[in-house]
Amino acid sequence: EDQVTQSPEALRLQEGESSSLNCSYTVSGLRGLFWYRQDPGKGPEFLFTLYSAGEEKEKERLKATLTKKESFLHITAPKPEDSATYLCAVRILYSGGGADGLTFGKGTHLIIQP
Amino acid sequence: KAGVTQTPRYLIKTRGQQVTLSCSPISGHRSVSWYQQTPGQGLQFLFEYFSETQRNKGNFPGRFSGRQFSNSRSEMNVSTLELGDSALYLCASRNPGHSSYNSPLHFGNGTRLTVT
Repeated sequence: EDQVTQSPEALRLQEGESSSLNCSYTVSGLRGLFWYRQDPGKGPEFLFTLYSAGEEKEKERLKATLTKKESFLHITAPKPEDSATYLCAVRILYSGGGADGLTFGKGTHLIIQP
Repeated sequence: KAGVTQTPRYLIKTRGQQVTLSCSPISGHRSVSWYQQTPGQGLQFLFEYFSETQRNKGNFPGRFSGRQFSNSRSEMNVSTLELGDSALYLCASRNPGHSSYNSPLHFGNGTRLTVT
């Protein structure tokens, strides 16, 4: 069964303390790995798409990387406004050619303390 | 550009009733997907519509259904509500292009459904 696992479930950091969030997946026919940020009471906000192993994307203090089995979201010198739940998701290409909906991990709840 | 709009934001229903949720996608986006989010299961795919046709469906019972109109707006219906249907229902749109399966989803802020 295709699975997406995120770790840790929760992470508390001091402002300026860099760290990484992990997203591991066991799927075949990967057609993209997506990172989202979700704030309380809101829908997920798109951050990055990664397509192939070795690819990296950056946006402000965030950098996403992808290997054949996992993705990392690196947060450099985070600020309190980076506090949110970070979700990763994969889209799979099925043998019939159709791609199903995104399969999401449970997310990492990140808290940045001032 | 306006984002994905979902109405209503909050809804309280009784077991056995039915409910209809509405979604207006980002202008120009022809694909609309629906997801259910609960604390225990996280985000789970319900279905996706493109040009008024259901393209994909997740593993949910037939009580969950949807449709898409010619202007790309979409509705989701849940019949015979159960307590376990209490969740945040999220709608997302995307603009399938050349690499249609890689285009990201853009989510609305959801409808919070409570079943009592």
